Amino acid sequence: GDSVTQMEGPVTLSEEAFLTINCTYTATGYPSLFWYVQYPGEGLQLLLKATKADDKGSNKGFEATYRKETTSFHLEKGSVQVSDSAVYFCALKLSSQGNLIFGKGTKLSVKP
Amino acid sequence: SQTIHQWPATLVQPVGSPLSLECTVEGTSNPNLYWYRQAAGRGLQLLFYSVGIGQISSEVPQNLSASRPQDRQFILSSKKLLLSDSGFYLCAWRHQGSSYEQYFGPGTRLTVT
Repeated sequence: GDSVTQMEGPVTLSEEAFLTINCTYTATGYPSLFWYVQYPGEGLQLLLKATKADDKGSNKGFEATYRKETTSFHLEKGSVQVSDSAVYFCALKLSSQGNLIFGKGTKLSVKP
Repeated sequence: SQTIHQWPATLVQPVGSPLSLECTVEGTSNPNLYWYRQAAGRGLQLLFYSVGIGQISSEVPQNLSASRPQDRQFILSSKKLLLSDSGFYLCAWRHQGSSYEQYFGPGTRLTVT
């Protein structure tokens, strides 16, 4: 079935370090791909998205490129801040249905 | 603009007690509504979704039920809570039509003791 696999956390980085959170997917159709962020004690917020192959989503310094050949959507940021500490969820949505399928989430902790 | 509310924000309930969590959406009509549970180490699991009043789809068999008595109100219930029902419950909505994004509420932290 359709699924999303994320690298397991937690990920601990120092401020200004480079971040990569890996995400791969399995889908029978042509999904849209998303990254959501959950700050401590809050609900999820959409961080960025890509709707077709080779699209790059970006927001708040974060980027992710939809790679159909490797079925991946890795999240990157060149220089993380303490305020980026959160749980990050990769998700896919099949156009035929509209429901989201989430990965298990990756907790990021950024130390000053 | 649209907003989504959930209450209560936190809840501590004994095993065997009933549960009612409420979610309401403002500023839109006929939304799709969703209940998710986030349990420790298990990621985000879709529990129920609804495309209209009285229309509920269940994604996983469990001790919980959902109802949609009004267009913008979505309720999650249980008659008898289990320890395994503990978690963070998130409500979400989106416009009708699969191309739209989902927007999440602030969540309810449920601890079953």
